[in-house]
Amino acid sequence: QVQLQQSGPGLVKPSQTLSLTCAISGDSVSSNSATWHWIRQSPSRGLEWLGRTYYRSKWYNDYAMSVKTRITFNSDTSKNHLSLQLNSVTPEDTAVYYCARAVAGNFGCWGQGILVVVSS
Amino acid sequence: DIVMTQSPDSLAVSLGERATINCKSSQSILYSSNNKYSLTWYQQKPGQPPKLLIYWASTRESGVPDRFSGSGSGTDFTLTISSLQAEDVAVYYCQQYYSPPITFGQGTRLEIK
Repeated sequence: QVQLQQSGPGLVKPSQTLSLTCAISGDSVSSNSATWHWIRQSPSRGLEWLGRTYYRSKWYNDYAMSVKTRITFNSDTSKNHLSLQLNSVTPEDTAVYYCARAVAGNFGCWGQGILVVVSS
Repeated sequence: DIVMTQSPDSLAVSLGERATINCKSSQSILYSSNNKYSLTWYQQKPGQPPKLLIYWASTRESGVPDRFSGSGSGTDFTLTISSLQAEDVAVYYCQQYYSPPITFGQGTRLEIK
């Protein structure tokens, strides 16, 4: 059974970098059948897909246009985890952040979610 | 981007009655390689991540009660709960994965009347 365990700070100051980690158990981050996604949820924006990373002989990243210039995904095969970095955050980036595993586009497994508040 | 629009925004149904939630995509999400619609339904309860209920518009995820069903074609899709149970109180979302960016509906809040 695949499980995703998220970690990271719950409070980030404006203009700083939001960094989150998603530890994977029961699957490999370099799986040839899964894709790994970051999604956030806020009352104002609902469920917002931030992008995906996946391995098919090499690593691919797709980012949502709304955050493309500020976001980076990394994958650590030795630790079997994903990470997200979102730069230059503003209060509009306040949300619950999720990592999720997808097979054929369906998010069948989610992390527990982390509420990140951007505030000074 | 493909816009997903759900209706209604909220719904109150009596226990044991049928609940119907609609989802409309702004363009076709028919996946040509298997002739299925790239449409998924999720259930979200407070403090929890969304839970996968239905994929390919009508395929029930393993372990999901058979009172949940999905249907639809073209750009119009429906999630039906045939006999509402108390544990079905939640917010329901549709999602398309036909093409990035993956997009979600705004959610439908389902309550007991």
